[in-house]
Amino acid sequence: GAVVSQHPSWVICKSGTSVKIECRSLDFQATTMFWYRQFPKQSLMLMATSNEGSKATYEQGVEKDKFLINHASLTLSTLTVTSAHPEDSSFYICSARAPVTKGSSYEQYFGPGTRLTVT
Amino acid sequence: KQEVTQIPAALSVPEGENLVLNCSFTDSAIYNLQWFRQDPGKGLTSLLLIQSSQREQTSGRLNASLDKSSGRSTLYIAASQPGDSATYLCAVDFNKFYFGSGTKLNVKP
Repeated sequence: GAVVSQHPSWVICKSGTSVKIECRSLDFQATTMFWYRQFPKQSLMLMATSNEGSKATYEQGVEKDKFLINHASLTLSTLTVTSAHPEDSSFYICSARAPVTKGSSYEQYFGPGTRLTVT
Repeated sequence: KQEVTQIPAALSVPEGENLVLNCSFTDSAIYNLQWFRQDPGKGLTSLLLIQSSQREQTSGRLNASLDKSSGRSTLYIAASQPGDSATYLCAVDFNKFYFGSGTKLNVKP
């Protein structure tokens, strides 16, 4: 199946600094990527939809000025957490959508996740 | 907002049992539904994808069914093993993916 990578896999930063997380589709082009956040013992929550060449679409309650998303190419989307605070500590996962080989649907391939700890 | 619900929230069974995990969603206009497995502190592993035109998919000991009209999907695990212990997540594609809260499975040796 298709492969999606994330970098870094974990990061520790100080409160007030910014952190950038990269999501790459390694063997396919993805016009649409998604960013999720997962708090401990909770499920994944969709934060935003990243579209190549256009502005990201944010879910209700997600601050677009705090979580900056850039989908600069068909294989790369980045999430920048600006002025990070301890409450932003979480597991961030991206996914990329690719057509299913048989049928007319799409399948999502997920990156391994990035664990962010803000001290 | 679309809602995806999974029951039970947790399940503990002895090794060898067959079991069923349930997923329900509020809108039948879906593109597809995927079942994932997540081990503690890890990312997601895709188990099965059911397209909206399909009713079930099988992979090894796993079988997933989809009933769009009633907004339900089930994941059947046959002959459970301790290695199956993990959290199982149902995700429904309404042109965006929404996840259920998961079922935490513990298979006891």
